[in-house]
Amino acid sequence: DAMVIQNPRYQVTQFGKPVTLSCSQTLNHNVMYWYQQKSSQAPKLLFHYYDKDFNNEADTPDNFQSRRPNTSFCFLDIRSPGLGDAAMYLCATSRGGEGTNEKLFFGSGTQLSVL
Amino acid sequence: AQSVTQLDSQVPVFEEAPVELRCNYSSSVSVYLFWYVQYPNQGLQLLLKYLSGSTLVESINGFEAEFNKSQTSFHLRKPSVHISDTAEYFCAVRTRYGKLTFGQGTILTVHP
Repeated sequence: DAMVIQNPRYQVTQFGKPVTLSCSQTLNHNVMYWYQQKSSQAPKLLFHYYDKDFNNEADTPDNFQSRRPNTSFCFLDIRSPGLGDAAMYLCATSRGGEGTNEKLFFGSGTQLSVL
Repeated sequence: AQSVTQLDSQVPVFEEAPVELRCNYSSSVSVYLFWYVQYPNQGLQLLLKYLSGSTLVESINGFEAEFNKSQTSFHLRKPSVHISDTAEYFCAVRTRYGKLTFGQGTILTVHP
């Protein structure tokens, strides 16, 4: 059974048109992450939520926002997508804390295309 | 800050041959090291991890990695690969709160 679910699998948007990607989890994990993975590059952390506490990475563009209305759902909003924002967006969860046995659970990703 | 370098972007190999995917890291503090695998059109899955203790860690599907502190390496090995091992492999180092820093990835292609 899928534990971290991302919808849609493929998303096409127009240059400058706002787009929202969604992620849900059935694990009841405290932490949810959004990663951006461009072609042939490493996944790059954009931000994460620890419960309702939002943590933005220093180099994440202002164009990227996130919402977490409850434990299960987290959204990635791109206010004005540019061609350079075309990428795979990965959602991940973890239980939280600094336990040494913690691992991340990833969704299958949403491939975003910008026309 | 932590960083991870995967030395090979692509590794082609024949089925049943051994393989090594190289990973080096840099860190000023204690590290947790991971290997994730990404099959085509799928998300990342944890393959194995080093947290502490024995420097040799193994996965259930025959992969192993050895933490070498003096060489700051965490190379992934498998003595005999299968076609189904074809995937992209990411080495990662963990910072606080499970924030991972990934390497660039190595595409392993197993040929019949």
